[in-house]
Amino acid sequence: SQQGEEDPQALSIQEGENATMNCSYKTSINNLQWYRQNSGRGLVHLILIRSNEREKHSGRLRVTLDTSKKSSSLLITASRAADTASYFCATAQRGGNKLTFGTGTQLKVEL
Amino acid sequence: GAGVSQSPSNKVTEKGKDVELRCDPISGHTALYWYRQSLGQGLEFLIYFQGNSAPDKSGLPSDRFSAERTGGSVSTLTIQRTQQEDSAVYLCASSLLGPGETQYFGPGTRLLVL
Repeated sequence: SQQGEEDPQALSIQEGENATMNCSYKTSINNLQWYRQNSGRGLVHLILIRSNEREKHSGRLRVTLDTSKKSSSLLITASRAADTASYFCATAQRGGNKLTFGTGTQLKVEL
Repeated sequence: GAGVSQSPSNKVTEKGKDVELRCDPISGHTALYWYRQSLGQGLEFLIYFQGNSAPDKSGLPSDRFSAERTGGSVSTLTIQRTQQEDSAVYLCASSLLGPGETQYFGPGTRLLVL
């Protein structure tokens, strides 16, 4: 089963609005990462947050991590049409050999 | 330098044929991963290489799937006797040292088995 579950599965907003996506996971982690995927091809790394961090920023992206609730959120501020993509969270488990990806959120930003 | 490259970009094959997919990781990256993504789904882990050895091949769905990596660089994923359910995008990624780091993905190979 998937370690990470994102919600919502799909999100449609207007350009300029903020988009928030959530990710829940099940086991202890070393870090949690967010990736973006355009048109079902290669993924692009967005941001990595370590288990001892609570919040991280990168440009218009803000990621939070709550290890007590085993959840993370990705906020994209002032969204643009070019932000339209699928967004995946991925967890690196302690002692693990891989990243485990969630099911993804499809974001559509309309003009 | 260049990013992760994969070939071919697209592959159409007939059921029962064998296919080979290739991945060229970023130069100097010791870890390499293969994933599979079916239409509209998340990524399914297949196998992880550290150097030329595969410490974790737990995700390979059947013995029709195999992978190797040579020279600590190029990797090939081979699917024997392809089935229609093998149709998916096969993604390769690499990272500098190991699994917990940022992974850099190739553009994928879209496989269609008729």
